[in-house]
Amino acid sequence: KNEVEQSPQNLTAQEGEFITINCSYSVGISALHWLQQHPGGGIVSLFMLSSGKKKHGRLIATINIQEKHSSLHITASHPRDSAVYICAASTGNQFYFGTGTSLTVIP
Amino acid sequence: NAGVTQTPKFQVLKTGQSMTLQCAQDMNHNSMYWYRQDPGMGLRLIYYSASEGTTDKGEVPNGYNVSRLNKREFSLRLESAAPSQTSVYFCASSYRLALYEQYFGPGTRLTVT
Repeated sequence: KNEVEQSPQNLTAQEGEFITINCSYSVGISALHWLQQHPGGGIVSLFMLSSGKKKHGRLIATINIQEKHSSLHITASHPRDSAVYICAASTGNQFYFGTGTSLTVIP
Repeated sequence: NAGVTQTPKFQVLKTGQSMTLQCAQDMNHNSMYWYRQDPGMGLRLIYYSASEGTTDKGEVPNGYNVSRLNKREFSLRLESAAPSQTSVYFCASSYRLALYEQYFGPGTRLTVT
């Protein structure tokens, strides 16, 4: 059983499109994390949120605690956004990761 | 600041060999973590250290041991490597557990033949 499910698994978009990646979780969380993994393998943290909405540049993350669902939105997508986006739920002392959404943005 | 560093970057082992993966952070973080990443499985927590002097098992601890040498360093040891331990290993750190973002090292690609 997967505590964290992401959709879609793969996503191809044209440059400039609005992109949404979804994350559903089944555990009670302390926080929900969005990570980005570039083709070279490095992982960076994009957002950590426990309620509401956060925005950083063209990236927006939202969470609905009652529905146990989070979304990551990318506005005006660009080829440099091509990466794997990973959702993770932290439950105090455990982290559960989704398998990631592979995004390719075509010029 | 280097952030989180890991050594080595690549390693090939034969079944039964042992090795230690090293991790260090220079951000004065209290908590450190070891993950493995396998295709189609996502990241899985092997061990974590909430603070200096403590270590705890994660989701997949079997076949591994860890040492929190000091606040900066957290090592992962494979005593008798098995092909099932072929994976990419990431170390991460955070100020404290759970409610703080994690910073990841560049990863170690380990192949066990």
